[in-house]
Amino acid sequence: DQQVKQNSPSLSVQEGRISILNCDYTNSMFDYFLWYKKYPAEGPTFLISISSIKDKNEDGRFTVFLNKSAKHLSLHIVPSQPGDSAVYFCAARGLGNSGYALNFGKGTSLLVTP
Amino acid sequence: AAGVIQSPRHLIKEKRETATLKCYPIPRHDTVYWYQQGPGQDPQFLISFYEKMQSDKGSIPDRFSAQQFSDYHSELNMSSLELGDSALYFCASNYGRGYEQYFGPGTRLTVT
Repeated sequence: DQQVKQNSPSLSVQEGRISILNCDYTNSMFDYFLWYKKYPAEGPTFLISISSIKDKNEDGRFTVFLNKSAKHLSLHIVPSQPGDSAVYFCAARGLGNSGYALNFGKGTSLLVTP
Repeated sequence: AAGVIQSPRHLIKEKRETATLKCYPIPRHDTVYWYQQGPGQDPQFLISFYEKMQSDKGSIPDRFSAQQFSDYHSELNMSSLELGDSALYFCASNYGRGYEQYFGPGTRLTVT
């Protein structure tokens, strides 16, 4: 069963505007949440993470928000740039059946248009 | 900075053949994870190793086996290949089973 869900397969945003990518999860045992960016023919690249005990983490143009009660997190990119166009994966680490492995969502393809 | 190295980058095999994928973690990383990503799918965890011992096991078929060697590189051995094994195989590494994992570029396996 999919424990990490990204319900929007794609998102298109104009350059300079905010991109908001959403992610929902079902397992309350997850202790860290991560966002990865992936270009075609490359491996996922780590972007930003948040611990389950925090509700916000910011790194430059990227901010991740965590709402534990709603089991929801979001990645905000401000301002969006054409180079941000990629597939973004939400991932969660839970010390359950998969131990230290990451559980991924299916990804959201972001297109930033000039 | 040194990254995770995977070889080969591309591999074409026929059904029922065997394949070996290699992963060289970032220097000083002692934990290796293997993931399989099918077309249009999310990466699925297969297996991981910490300090040369199997750490966690995911959805790895019995036809697959893996190990981590004394220099911390890892190999994924796949036998009796099936068409459904065609996928991107990623290796990731970190130190001490930390939460942040660093991914290699992947090996694209095509089974014909």
